[in-house]
Amino acid sequence: EVQMVESGGGLVKPGGSLRLSCAASGFTFSDYSMNWVRQAPGKGLEWVSSISSRSSYMYYTDSVKGRFTISRDNAKNSLYLQMNSLRAEDSAVYYCASGHCSAGGCDNGFFDYWGQGTLVTVSS
Amino acid sequence: ERVMTQSPATLSVSPGERVTLSCRASQSVSSNLAWYQQKPGQAPRLLIYGASTRATGIPARFSGSGSGTEFTLTISSLQSEDFAVYYCQQYNNWPWTFGQGTKVEIK
Repeated sequence: EVQMVESGGGLVKPGGSLRLSCAASGFTFSDYSMNWVRQAPGKGLEWVSSISSRSSYMYYTDSVKGRFTISRDNAKNSLYLQMNSLRAEDSAVYYCASGHCSAGGCDNGFFDYWGQGTLVTVSS
Repeated sequence: ERVMTQSPATLSVSPGERVTLSCRASQSVSSNLAWYQQKPGQAPRLLIYGASTRATGIPARFSGSGSGTEFTLTISSLQSEDFAVYYCQQYNNWPWTFGQGTKVEIK
């Protein structure tokens, strides 16, 4: 059974930092590109960042560039998001989400497996 | 940035009815379009990718169509478990972007 469990969320003051983690199991983590997607309370979904299976490339949405860093440890089946200089508008549930693999190969771009999310609240 | 616009914002439907949700892209996204379902308090679930390919385990009553800028998600006969918010998402161009969602509610 596929499981992805996020942790590390919480309440932080503006300008502060948090490190989110996502522990994955039930699939070959090292084959999959991985992503962070967030959802502000009562709002829609927003893609935040992506990392390729071997960490060859990382992409970020403009609003977090220079503040957030995505990384992964394939030996530990884990994905991370280091968030610095946090702002009120970063408050959201943060989901880790995998790309897609099938017999035909692996793709990134759409999100196959999702964790249950971890809540980040940025407030003084 | 590709802006994705979904319509309508809310759809009131009776169980058993056929439902059609629309998603429009501000510029062509080819067939690089996915649909997700999200229920309250839950993570989204992938329904459709490549505009028309059902994800693993998704019932056949869900179908997707379209290419370029106009896309449709159809639920052939709405079941009680289908009341949820539906999002489209393009992955043709960075940054990947979602529509604002369509809420399907009980009439």
